[in-house]
Amino acid sequence: GAVVSQHPSRVICKSGTSVKIECRSLDFQATTMFWYRQFPKQSLMLMATSNEGSKATYEQGVEKDKFLINHASLTLSTLTVTSAHPEDSSFYICSARLLGAGSVNEQFFGPGTRLTVL
Amino acid sequence: RKEVEQDPGPFNVPEGATVAFNCTYSNSASQSFFWYRQDCRKEPKLLMSVYSSGNEDGRFTAQLNRASQYISLLIRDSKLSDSATYLCVVTGGSSNTGKLIFGQGTTLQVKP
Repeated sequence: GAVVSQHPSRVICKSGTSVKIECRSLDFQATTMFWYRQFPKQSLMLMATSNEGSKATYEQGVEKDKFLINHASLTLSTLTVTSAHPEDSSFYICSARLLGAGSVNEQFFGPGTRLTVL
Repeated sequence: RKEVEQDPGPFNVPEGATVAFNCTYSNSASQSFFWYRQDCRKEPKLLMSVYSSGNEDGRFTAQLNRASQYISLLIRDSKLSDSATYLCVVTGGSSNTGKLIFGQGTTLQVKP
């Protein structure tokens, strides 16, 4: 299957700092990437849809000024958590959408980034 | 009401057992349905798509009932390596946005 990478895999930072997470599709071009967040023992929650060359679409309740998304190329999307606070500590996962034949559009997930804000 | 509901479990079963997971979804406009598997502290991986006609992949069988908005996953002859969280996933809203709505997941623990 298609490969999606994320960097860094783990980050620990102080409260108030900003953290950038990169999501790359390694062997295919992704016009659409998605950013999810997963708190312990909870489901993955979609934060935003990132479209190459245009503004991201944020889900209800997700602050666009706090979670900055940039999708500057067909293989790279970045999520920046600005002024991170302990409640932002979570597992952040990206996915890239592979457009297949017919109506099956599969998403491939990155390995995730575990953010801990002290 | 959650958009996708699953019994979180855990389901504790012996090796070789048959186990079934169920899932209901609230959005009748959902077009595509999947089961993903997630191991502890890892990303989800696609297990199989789910079709109205039902589909089987080895020991795994998935069924979709659109009228009842109900999805199931059956695992036969459970292996230790099947221990994981199984996520019921549906597409949200219109067909081509790609948005995936995840259930909370059902945890399976297969014991020797």
